[in-house]
Amino acid sequence: AQSVSQHNHHVILSEAASLELGCNYSYGGTVNLFWYVQYPGQHLQLLLKYFSGDPLVKGIKGFEAEFIKSKFSFNLRKPSVQWSDTAEYFCAVNAKSSGSARQLTFGSGTQLTVLP
Amino acid sequence: NAGVTQTPKFRILKIGQSMTLQCAQDMNHNYMYWYRQDPGMGLKLIYYSVGAGITDKGEVPNGYNVSRSTTEDFPLRLELAAPSQTSVYFCASRKGQGVGELFFGEGSRLTVL
Repeated sequence: AQSVSQHNHHVILSEAASLELGCNYSYGGTVNLFWYVQYPGQHLQLLLKYFSGDPLVKGIKGFEAEFIKSKFSFNLRKPSVQWSDTAEYFCAVNAKSSGSARQLTFGSGTQLTVLP
Repeated sequence: NAGVTQTPKFRILKIGQSMTLQCAQDMNHNYMYWYRQDPGMGLKLIYYSVGAGITDKGEVPNGYNVSRSTTEDFPLRLELAAPSQTSVYFCASRKGQGVGELFFGEGSRLTVL
């Protein structure tokens, strides 16, 4: 079975600071990887995704993530955060084969607070 | 397109009552999911469906039931509500296995007193 770990539960940054949120997964096969964002009071929205190809993927609002297969990691980055980035961020993994391919497994989330 | 629509948005139940959370999608997606979200716990999969007439348990199915009579609808039923079922419930859908992103509904906040 696949699992996802997000080790940072709450991150507090000042505006213009750089951001990196960690995500590690456990699964031996090929995976699709996602980052979702949940703004206060809203539903989850896709930030970016990795299926194959270039391991550095760019998403909306200046976010990017790098897939490092050897480290089973898919860390989210942004060079300069804004107050409007305050939200909860979820990493998710979907195995490409076997029965677990039907399921998307989420990490426990990282709450990002950006101070103006 | 409306995407994924959930009703109701808010509901308060008494212990032992039952109710159904409705979920409908208009994107002709085969796969549909129910998650619950608890603070600090992320999203836990309750049930999912890969097509009409097919459902399967997720990580936390106890106390819930689902049905999938049509491609569009995937209701979640709570029988004998318990305080432990106080949570925010999200319905989601996607086109198929290993394909594409999940599209989420706006959530249903349920409180059991």
